[in-house]
This record gives sequence, C-alpha cells and structure tokens, in this order.
Amino acid sequence: DAKTTQPNSMESNEEEPVHLPCNHSTISGTDYIHWYRQLPSQGPEYVIHGLTSNVNNRMASLAIAEDRKSSTLILHRATLRDAAVYYCILRDGDGGSQGNLIFGKGTKLSVKP
Amino acid sequence: DGGITQSPKYLFRKEGQNVTLSCEQNLNHDAMYWYRQDPGQGLRLIYYSQIVNDFQKGDIAEGYSVSREKKESFPLTVTSAQKNPTAFYLCASSMRSQGKSFTEAFFGQGTRLTVV
Repeated sequence: DAKTTQPNSMESNEEEPVHLPCNHSTISGTDYIHWYRQLPSQGPEYVIHGLTSNVNNRMASLAIAEDRKSSTLILHRATLRDAAVYYCILRDGDGGSQGNLIFGKGTKLSVKP
Repeated sequence: DGGITQSPKYLFRKEGQNVTLSCEQNLNHDAMYWYRQDPGQGLRLIYYSQIVNDFQKGDIAEGYSVSREKKESFPLTVTSAQKNPTAFYLCASSMRSQGKSFTEAFFGQGTRLTVV
C-alpha cells in the first residue's frame, strides 16, 4: 500500500491559519488524497479529499503539489474545536481492496487560546 | 437523520467469552468496515465488506469474525481466540460512486471494549 508521512504533532494559536503537511512520494496515478480528523474518544470525521487540483470546502482547503508527492491541509482560522489528530490517507480510486482507508499515526494538532 | 450507529458505547466482558459489536447504517452505503484502535495509535483494518453476503479480511482479522446478511448491518464478533481484545472498535461505511471507486467514509462513534 502507498504510504504517507506526517509530523507527529503540531501546535497552533487560536484564530491563526494552520498548515498540516503530508508526504506521499509513492503515490500512484489513481490514488486520491484523503484527510480525516479524530477528536478524543470519537470516530474519525471526513475533512476533504482531492486528486490533482486544489480543493476547498467549508472545513478546510487542500493544496496538492504539482507532482502530487506532497499535500497540505489548510485550516484557515484554527479554533479550539480543531484540536484533533489529523490523518492523511491515500485511497485508490479504482476501488477493490486498494480502495480501503489505511490509517497511519497522523498529526496531533494542539490549539492554544 | 442518516448515519452510522454503533452499540453499545461501552462493553465489558470476561476473558474467554465471545462478544458481538453492532454496527448499523441507514445511508444506503455499499461498503462497510471494522477498525481497531489502541491507545495512541492509528486505526487498523479488521474486516471489510463491499457488498452484501461478501466480506474480506483486513490486516488484523485473526480472532474476529463478521457477517453481512443485510446491506445496513455489519456486526463484528470478538472471539475468545483474540489474544488482546481490549480496544476501541470503530465501524465505517462508504458508498460506491461512479465505476468502482468509493466516496468518503462515515464513521460511528465507536465501542470501547474492555475484557477483564
């Protein structure tokens, strides 16, 4: 399975932007880049996903490098409720077992008031 | 409201007993998944099912069993063969979109199993 590399932890101040990096140098042409986040004692929550172009939704933005070997999740104004573990995952768009979500350890984001 | 429901939220069992965790979804999703999470770790895939009456082993299937008799239900049984069953169990579902790919996954709130 293609793998991703994320920093173990990051800190941010409230109301400031946060850039969460992810490296995926072995990404294949059919892999989508997915981001999920998990608050303590809860199930993960979908954040955003993309294939080649940058993506925006109400929660965040996803910036994908031109060679697709890295991406960055952008939270435009961090709030205390954004403190969570953020997972960057590659998901094969061709489905089958390669379409399963395989989680790493993610990045634990702390937000300071 | 549509969603995915796991029950119970907390479960205590004696060592050597089988226990079944419930997962129900009313999202009309084709695929369902079971994950296990240990403290400070990411999620590990136990079993998955992409269609009714069919399921496949994930990375850590030993000591677990599942069934998929209905589209909306995917129960997980933790058997006595599972050596270290105490963990946080998460169920997820996903819809098949155009072609073979799947959309984003929706997760339940999890069941925390403690075996004493």
